[in-house]
Amino acid sequence: DVKVTQSSRYLVKRTGEKVFLECVQDMDHENMFWYRQDPGLGLRLIYFSYDVKMKEKGDIPEGYSVSREKKERFSLILESASTNQTSMYLCASSPRLAGPASNEQFFGPGTRLTVL
Amino acid sequence: LAKTTQPISMDSYEGQEVNITCSHNNIATNDYITWYQQFPSQGPRFIIQGYKTKVTNEVASLFIPADRKSSTLSLPRVSLSDTAVYYCLVGDYILTGGGNKLTFGTGTQLKVEL
Repeated sequence: DVKVTQSSRYLVKRTGEKVFLECVQDMDHENMFWYRQDPGLGLRLIYFSYDVKMKEKGDIPEGYSVSREKKERFSLILESASTNQTSMYLCASSPRLAGPASNEQFFGPGTRLTVL
Repeated sequence: LAKTTQPISMDSYEGQEVNITCSHNNIATNDYITWYQQFPSQGPRFIIQGYKTKVTNEVASLFIPADRKSSTLSLPRVSLSDTAVYYCLVGDYILTGGGNKLTFGTGTQLKVEL
């Protein structure tokens, strides 16, 4: 089974702190994603990466950056955390299967981040 | 971009069949229809995917009419453990490097009671 793990289930940080959220997958997937999930808004894509050191912005990249130095690891960075970044953060991965049928992504358990 | 519309919530009882319908009037010719399930405090999990007619796996069935403007996820004989949020979505477009950009809406909250 594909396993996607995230470094923390719960995290509490203060406004202005630099925050790192780590994600690791063990299935040699090329694609990795970071989403945030908020009540009433569904899941929104922050950033994704399709290869090592490659990244592209999703729908809501402002206030975030990412790093992918190794294929299995994708990090989300909040340079200066703010209260409006309090959310559930979900990491996902998928193999590189170009085409309309490539809709299966494997999600981690999520990190609930609270910024005070 | 194909947008999906599904009921906000549904209630059912154990042992019943549950059908959740999703509309996607602007679905593109190449789009597949995909359903995910999400339990509280977990990430979404892929359930089933199809293009047209009927698809069945060990978890659910997916019915897609000929015009593909809607689809119905069918869960046979639900149990309490099927209480979850169910998302209907289509791939928005192919991302750089392969794989589809997926847009998750707010989904349908299914509550199963005894």
